[in-house]
Amino acid sequence: AQSVTQLDSHVSVSEGTPVLLRCNYSSSYSPSLFWYVQHPNKGLQLLLKYTSAATLVKGINGFEAEFKKSETSFHLTKPSAHMSDAAEYFCVVRYSGAGSYQLTFGKGTKLSVIP
Amino acid sequence: EPEVTQTPSHQVTQMGQEVILRCVPISNHLYFYWYRQILGQKVEFLVSFYNNEISEKSEIFDDQFSVERPDGSNFTLKIRSTKLEDSAMYFCASSEARLNEQFFGPGTRLTVL
Repeated sequence: AQSVTQLDSHVSVSEGTPVLLRCNYSSSYSPSLFWYVQHPNKGLQLLLKYTSAATLVKGINGFEAEFKKSETSFHLTKPSAHMSDAAEYFCVVRYSGAGSYQLTFGKGTKLSVIP
Repeated sequence: EPEVTQTPSHQVTQMGQEVILRCVPISNHLYFYWYRQILGQKVEFLVSFYNNEISEKSEIFDDQFSVERPDGSNFTLKIRSTKLEDSAMYFCASSEARLNEQFFGPGTRLTVL
């Protein structure tokens, strides 16, 4: 069975400081991993994805995530937070074994950016 | 930029009533999905749909749920007899192929009274 744990429900950073949103996954097979962002009243937007190529993945808006198999982690980072980064972030895993393509979501981390 | 749209943004209904949630996927996409998020809980997969049939469904997607692509543009989720616990945000998504990115709509908030 696959699952995703986002370790923080709420993270608050000052504008211009680094962002770290933590995610650990559990999967019996090599997973595909994603980070989605949701701004208020908007749909879920894909930030980046890992699908067994390079372990360091670059996404939109300056975000990055590193796949660490030994730690079963896929933490999201950004060197310098911007006010527009304030949103809810979801870590998502997809296990494509046995013909399943459904996404499994973490509970989400709400990011607040303080001016 | 093409996007997935959903209507209505908020639906309020009485317990036992039928509701239909509507989605317009991106036009060249072939795979369609419904997810839901009960307040304070995770986003959960409900069902995926391809080539006019359900390709995968979760345990949540029981006989009171159905999906349909009634025409070339809409994708609907019907709940036959709503229960209080069906209150949630329902997200529609679509993708060009099974392994491609899923594009999500803004969601419909369903409130069952």
